Amino acid sequence: GDSVTQMEGPVTLSEEACLTINCTYTATGYPSLFWYVQYPGEGLQLLLKATKADDKGSNKGFEATYRKETTSFHLEKGSVQVSDSAVYFCALRPNAGKSTFGDGTTLTVKP
Amino acid sequence: DTEVTQTPKHLVMGMTNKKSLKCEQHMGHRAMYWYKQKAKKPPELMFVYSYEKLSINESVPSRFSPECPNSSLLNLHLHALQPEDSALYLCASSQDAGASTDTQYFGPGTRLTVL
Repeated sequence: GDSVTQMEGPVTLSEEACLTINCTYTATGYPSLFWYVQYPGEGLQLLLKATKADDKGSNKGFEATYRKETTSFHLEKGSVQVSDSAVYFCALRPNAGKSTFGDGTTLTVKP
Repeated sequence: DTEVTQTPKHLVMGMTNKKSLKCEQHMGHRAMYWYKQKAKKPPELMFVYSYEKLSINESVPSRFSPECPNSSLLNLHLHALQPEDSALYLCASSQDAGASTDTQYFGPGTRLTVL
């Protein structure tokens, strides 16, 4: 079946540091890939998505590229802020199927 | 408007109570979802409604009963819950239940505590 593996957290960074959260997936066919962010006490918010190979999703300074050859969708940001502290979920969605989420990576950014 | 609203925000109930969670969206989406999320875990799918009909039930215990009165509303009726059912219950919607490119939009959740 489909699966998503995220790098284990928690991740702690200083403000303005570079961020990479690794995400790899296993799926048949051509799923779409998503990054969601969950701030404390809130629901999930879509951060970015990519629907086919080599697509790059971007939003709020975050980027991720759909790499079919390495089955990866790593999340990157060049300079993190304290307000980026949250839990980040990588997810895939196949055609006519339900979404599969990774376990989540907790990011804490210190001033 | 990409908002999914959920009420109540917090709910405390005893094991003999009957309560309901409500979810609403006005994006014209035809698929709606209930998820359960325990602390530090990803969301777990419970139910999917597509065009107001239940299309997926992930073997959820019968003490959880979903209802979709119309295309904008989704309810989750709760009865005789157990303490281990305490969790954040998330509602989501999407344009279509079957398309991989379709984005799910999540509500803020209801924090449920069962005493």
